[in-house]
Amino acid sequence: NAGVTQTPKFQVLKTGQSMTLQCAQDMNHEYMSWYRQDPGMGLRLIHYSVGAGITDQGEVPNGYNVSRSTTEDFPLRLLSAAPSQTSVYFCASSYSGVGYGYTFGSGTRLTVV
Amino acid sequence: GQQLNQSPQSMFIQEGEDVSMNCTSSSIFNTWLWYKQDPGEGPVLLIALYKAGELTSNGRLTAQFGITRKDSFLNISASIPSDVGIYFCAGQHSGTYKYIFGTGTRLKVLA
Repeated sequence: NAGVTQTPKFQVLKTGQSMTLQCAQDMNHEYMSWYRQDPGMGLRLIHYSVGAGITDQGEVPNGYNVSRSTTEDFPLRLLSAAPSQTSVYFCASSYSGVGYGYTFGSGTRLTVV
Repeated sequence: GQQLNQSPQSMFIQEGEDVSMNCTSSSIFNTWLWYKQDPGEGPVLLIALYKAGELTSNGRLTAQFGITRKDSFLNISASIPSDVGIYFCAGQHSGTYKYIFGTGTRLKVLA
């Protein structure tokens, strides 16, 4: 089925470890973004991309890197995991432009111990 | 960063009751979206609104784009147990691709 695929679904990391959260979409969407969801905080934007080769920071980018080498993929890298990065991470995509809603992946639940 | 205020934060209702929730902002938006998130899943788009005053329905759900463009409302009629979940609003400013999300309204339906 077409949509946004995130892997892994669950991950436990030790403080200081690095890892990459994968996100792929097959809808030819130009716009992709990463959000984190914490209790009572809603969805906060980490990084976003308006097309291959173009990325920008959202409101909570510290500790995360992204790249966009293809239209389909938008991986999120945790450079040195900290307990404060324990969260549920969602990738979302849409057509670029005003008024297009996002399609979300099913999320990655990350615990940093 | 800016977040939208959603009200109420959570609510318990009886099956069959109507539900109302709202979302307010200090700034004007050009687009309002309403999403529902089931436990363990990503948010799913319910309704999109593009014009001030617009009223749009999706089954038992009806949403309105506030006239001031700083708020939006979602109503669910005759609630059923599968309406349980978190409802998020999201607003988009003119000239930007980004959406700002509300903090969510958690709905629990008592059978």
